[in-house]
Amino acid sequence: SAVISQKPSRDICQRGTSLTIQCQVDSQVTMMFWYRQQPGQSLTLIATANQGSEATYESGFVIDKFPISRPNLTFSTLTVSNMSPEDSSIYLCSVPSPGQGGKLFFGSGTQLSVL
Amino acid sequence: AQSVTQLGSHVSVSEGALVLLRCNYSSSVPPYLFWYVQYPNQGLQLLLKYTTGATLVKGINGFEAEFKKSETSFHLTKPSAHMSDAAEYFCAVRPGYNKLIFGAGTRLAVHP
Repeated sequence: SAVISQKPSRDICQRGTSLTIQCQVDSQVTMMFWYRQQPGQSLTLIATANQGSEATYESGFVIDKFPISRPNLTFSTLTVSNMSPEDSSIYLCSVPSPGQGGKLFFGSGTQLSVL
Repeated sequence: AQSVTQLGSHVSVSEGALVLLRCNYSSSVPPYLFWYVQYPNQGLQLLLKYTTGATLVKGINGFEAEFKKSETSFHLTKPSAHMSDAAEYFCAVRPGYNKLIFGAGTRLAVHP
């Protein structure tokens, strides 16, 4: 299994500012996923981060708003830029379990509140 | 496009009672289906998954789910609820390599 450390665990931010969320995995993984869980809603995939290439964004998400870095096979960051109250969500990092047919491991998430 | 629908955003049961959480899926191809659980202030963890083969899948903590193609369902059950089962449960389908599409979630409350 993979152990995923995500930080910060929570933050309260002002409108118009940016927050960078870090995700550290205890093993090397090719793909890392960033999900958003808005209050009372399900998880939505923001993007897939592959080491050595640009992140692939899902419909409705753009790089200018959610820039992602993937400098190596164990680490990734997601930045929420120019925040508004609508960005208040839980942001989750996730990695696949090799050879287990789609099983994902999740970090404990970052609870973001934007005032 | 693949999707999942979870019926009931909140379910409340008594300790020792049957737990039934409903999930219906939409898929044009044979689906991979999952149930994840999220305990308070924790990340998601996999309860069980269906890929191919036996349609009754057993998972951790006494949970099981049955894949019914004719009903496009993958309901989660547990014969006897325990207080520690209180959590949010998510059904998910895999549309592509390692991507998951999640249902809206069902919050399970267990009362004495």
